[in-house]
Amino acid sequence: AQRVTQPEKLLSVFKGAPVELKCNYSYSGSPELFWYVQYSRQRLQLLLRHISRESIKGFTADLNKGETSFHLKKPFAQEEDSAMYYCALISPGSNYKLTFGKGTLLTVNP
Amino acid sequence: DGGITQSPKYLFRKEGQNVTLSCEQNLNHDAMYWYRQDPGQGLRLIYYSQIVNDFQKGDIAEGYSVSREKKESFPLTVTSAQKNPTAFYLCASSTRQGSGGYTFGSGTRLTVV
Repeated sequence: AQRVTQPEKLLSVFKGAPVELKCNYSYSGSPELFWYVQYSRQRLQLLLRHISRESIKGFTADLNKGETSFHLKKPFAQEEDSAMYYCALISPGSNYKLTFGKGTLLTVNP
Repeated sequence: DGGITQSPKYLFRKEGQNVTLSCEQNLNHDAMYWYRQDPGQGLRLIYYSQIVNDFQKGDIAEGYSVSREKKESFPLTVTSAQKNPTAFYLCASSTRQGSGGYTFGSGTRLTVV
């Protein structure tokens, strides 16, 4: 069975500091990994996916198959980055269902 | 604000009643999903449908039912058998293989009074 683990429920940093939100997954095949973000009072939206290898709002994430990780990073956090972040995995073996981690609430302090 | 629409935004239910949450999409997506979001639990899959007239149970289907009579619509019924129905419910849609990610609705907050 596939599983996504986000070890930190809460993460608090100061503005301008680097931030890393951790995500580990368990799946034996080649999954597709995503990061979703939910800002206060807004709907859940896709932040980035590993296949596109793009940078959105200064965030990047690299898939490390050896460590089965997909950590989300940003070199300089901004106050507007404060939100709930979810790591998610999709795979053919699960009928392409999206499995989510429990989320990390990021707070960026001024 | 097109894409995927959930209604109502807030819903109150008396114990013992069934309620139906609406989800409509105009993205021409084949697949649709219902998730439940609880604090500290993340999103848990209730039901999903990859094609019209077909749907599958997710991880927490007990006490819920769905139908998929039209491609655009995937209503969720929360029955009286659901022991803890107070939650935030999210509907999503995607292409059949979900490779572009899911598009989510704005959610329905259900409260049992």
